[in-house]
Amino acid sequence: DAGVIQSPRHEVTEMGQEVTLRCKPISGHDYLFWYRQTMMRGLELLIYFNNNVPIDDSGMPEDRFSAKMPNASFSTLKIQPSEPRDSAVYFCASSLWRPGGEQFFGPGTRLTVL
Amino acid sequence: SQQGEEDPQALSIQEGENATMNCSYKTSINNLQWYRQNSGRGLVHLILIRSNEREKHSGRLRVTLDTSKKSSSLLITASRAADTASYFCATGQDSNYQLIWGAGTKLIIKP
Repeated sequence: DAGVIQSPRHEVTEMGQEVTLRCKPISGHDYLFWYRQTMMRGLELLIYFNNNVPIDDSGMPEDRFSAKMPNASFSTLKIQPSEPRDSAVYFCASSLWRPGGEQFFGPGTRLTVL
Repeated sequence: SQQGEEDPQALSIQEGENATMNCSYKTSINNLQWYRQNSGRGLVHLILIRSNEREKHSGRLRVTLDTSKKSSSLLITASRAADTASYFCATGQDSNYQLIWGAGTKLIIKP
């Protein structure tokens, strides 16, 4: 398996623009997680899905952030409008069904909002 | 939310020496996991230890878990330059599919 795939790897945009990050989880994994990592706040869980259904989005910082998982092999994280403080590395991870199990991370998307 | 706290925040040692990192947590857990993150990369799972286990080995890695003290340690023996990375602990619970992450220890191996 190719592992978790994220695109783009790098994104530079201007404040106010819409940003869409994409993720393809490992085939057969039932859980998908979106994280944000910054130097100041470390690794933060934004939202996670089970069988394409959002389970907990309490980590989504604001209404400007939204996430979807239209099918088992694809998820998006959208920021609209983007702000400089959204600059971070965004990771997608997937895991099998067992609670609290091992998570497999993608390479991340480094987002810079100017 | 972060439950795990790694100690130290940063560690710099000579190649060939052993590196020890510690993790403390607050609530009861089902398992504790260690991950490595190389600069600019995603996190990679290293090892998982269950709450009913006290010690686990994987190659040059040795993990211990003391549930009475709510703490774990990761020992890397005979360190190599390629071990330079940040190391994170994460705790898993039966009732929750989330992992609770620590802030990480930055390890630098000097050649």
